[in-house]
Amino acid sequence: DAGVTQSPTHLIKTRGQQVTLRCSPKSGHDTVSWYQQALGQGPQFIFQYYEEEERQRGNFPDRFSGHQFPNYSSELNVNALLLGDSALYLCASSLRPGTTFYNEQFFGPGTRLTVL
Amino acid sequence: AQSVTQLDSQVPVFEEAPVELRCNYSSSVSVYLFWYVQYPNQGLQLLLKYLSGSTLVKGINGFEAEFNKSQTSFHLRKPSVHISDTAEYFCAVSMLRGATNKLIFGTGTLLAVQP
Repeated sequence: DAGVTQSPTHLIKTRGQQVTLRCSPKSGHDTVSWYQQALGQGPQFIFQYYEEEERQRGNFPDRFSGHQFPNYSSELNVNALLLGDSALYLCASSLRPGTTFYNEQFFGPGTRLTVL
Repeated sequence: AQSVTQLDSQVPVFEEAPVELRCNYSSSVSVYLFWYVQYPNQGLQLLLKYLSGSTLVKGINGFEAEFNKSQTSFHLRKPSVHISDTAEYFCAVSMLRGATNKLIFGTGTLLAVQP
């Protein structure tokens, strides 16, 4: 049973560029959440998707957008990259809120984004 | 709104010694509580969780945590640590009820086990 997978593992971009990160949820899960973990900090919630719609959003600007596909995989897009966007981006999958065991989230290994 | 405070940014300890990593939370509603571990250059792995019932929760790798509602704490303990326990540990909460299971994390505690 494959867990949560993310690609790419590492990415280097320059300021002003755009980036797309990808996530495939654990088998049986239909909800994907994205978190940003800056160096030395705890993860911060970016947004959550289920039924192909953004359901909740954290305190992140509109430069951060996402998408969920019919197979439940998800993309995180960041436009007009800033130096401060350098971080580990974590994807977590779960069952949708309100279902049994929805509270447990499984994390992928993350994508390390460096903005120069 | 919820918040999580991990009082120690780094805890050095010798191998085979006991350890306690402290976590306090603030919330106006009931919450679920979690401890995650992050090894270098890896994602987060769930150590244990408190949802309801017994306030003493046992997790993987010999870790346990105790939920104290009056002190709003959820401290993590292990009676004897190993070198392999060296990692970053994160305490997190999510709302008990509602249309969200988003996690609010603390800033983490680096457990540094020395031989």
